[in-house]
Amino acid sequence: QKEVEQDPGPLSVPEGAIVSLNCTYSNSAFQYFMWYRQYSRKGPELLMYTYSSGNKEDGRFTAQVDKSSKYISLFIRDSQPSDSATYLCAMIQAGKSTFGDGTTLTVKP
Amino acid sequence: EAQVTQNPRYLITVTGKKLTVTCSQNMNHEYMSWYRQDPGLGLRQIYYSMNVEVTDKGDVPEGYKVSRKEKRNFPLILESPSPNQTSLYFCASSRLAGGHEQFFGPGTRLTVL
Repeated sequence: QKEVEQDPGPLSVPEGAIVSLNCTYSNSAFQYFMWYRQYSRKGPELLMYTYSSGNKEDGRFTAQVDKSSKYISLFIRDSQPSDSATYLCAMIQAGKSTFGDGTTLTVKP
Repeated sequence: EAQVTQNPRYLITVTGKKLTVTCSQNMNHEYMSWYRQDPGLGLRQIYYSMNVEVTDKGDVPEGYKVSRKEKRNFPLILESPSPNQTSLYFCASSRLAGGHEQFFGPGTRLTVL
């Protein structure tokens, strides 16, 4: 079983929708929780990271961590066609990173 | 411009021919890491370095070597490449030694025949 499991998708939503992307994990030692966005043929780009349970907001993006349930989420409000990409969750413990397999999101105009 | 550069960006080689993929960052970052990305397998960490002269194995280190002799460079060496090392490789760096704010390079697409 993988240490990090990500909802596989793909996900297709209309412009303006609220998107929820989710990952679960099994390793309690993970210290930081990150979300990356990857456009086709590009390197991943960091959206947000957090280290404690709770919510962290940055513009239209909200990252949520629930350490007791070992569950993290990324919410995108008012989704735009430019948000169409693959979203990767990642977790890190003392420098060692583990990524989810990614969820491909398409936002239709 | 702050960036992580990788060279070459594309490489086709043959089994057993040693190769090096270079990675360089101009941001004075402490942490650097190598990943490979394969369809259906996601992004997997090969090696990482939290400081000069310190390197550690990630999840898939077999068949790879790295060194961190200076802060800005972190080359990936394939001593005897095999077809199962055909992949898209990414180098990343972070100003934080824990690696939790990684900035990725553009990727190197490697094909081993």
